Amino acid sequence: GAVVSQHPSRVICKSGTSVKIECRSLDFQATTMFWYRQFPKQSLMLMATSNEGSKATYEQGVEKDKFLINHASLTLSTLTVTSAHPEDSSFYICSATVDSYEQYFGPGTRLTVT
Amino acid sequence: AQKVTQAQTEISVVEKEDVTLDCVYETRDTTYYLFWYKQPPSGELVFLIRRNSFDEQNEISGRYSWNFQKSTSSFNFTITASQVVDSAVYFCALSEGLSNDYKLSFGAGTTVTVRA
Repeated sequence: GAVVSQHPSRVICKSGTSVKIECRSLDFQATTMFWYRQFPKQSLMLMATSNEGSKATYEQGVEKDKFLINHASLTLSTLTVTSAHPEDSSFYICSATVDSYEQYFGPGTRLTVT
Repeated sequence: AQKVTQAQTEISVVEKEDVTLDCVYETRDTTYYLFWYKQPPSGELVFLIRRNSFDEQNEISGRYSWNFQKSTSSFNFTITASQVVDSAVYFCALSEGLSNDYKLSFGAGTTVTVRA
């Protein structure tokens, strides 16, 4: 149980375009979903916390208009990187939780912006 | 300030050696959770253990063991008789309920390389 999927696993896009990443909890309803970003050889940095039906809460330094998060249902959250630039290239990981005590992580999405 | 410190950036061992990864955390909460995750080259995070602040018992799971000491704010992880498949980046993480809405704060990670 507690499986979280992400789609796509890899994406390459051109500079200036937008790309959407989906995060789904497959066998449970998640009260909260989190989005992380991980640069090569670095740790995971929390970008935002997302609750179903409400606006996401962004961490300091994360641009809301750049990284749009929509949490349409208890099993789906999406992250849209708008007007992507090469510096947005990174590994994006989502997680989902039921009780806040434990987060279940997705497999990650590797974004490359050319 | 860094809430979770993993002082060892990289550790390289020969197969069958034991390896201990250090984790020191900082919190003012009395209720908190500590985690260890493994991140193999594929990138997917693998959950290893969760420990709450009220449970200081050490734990053993196969070749893995954990030593939680509140007195020194440490939660160290030992791999016994390491194998090549243990090569990965290992992250220690802290979840604080009262002060941080249970968000996870990750350490910088320790890269373990096990050589055959």
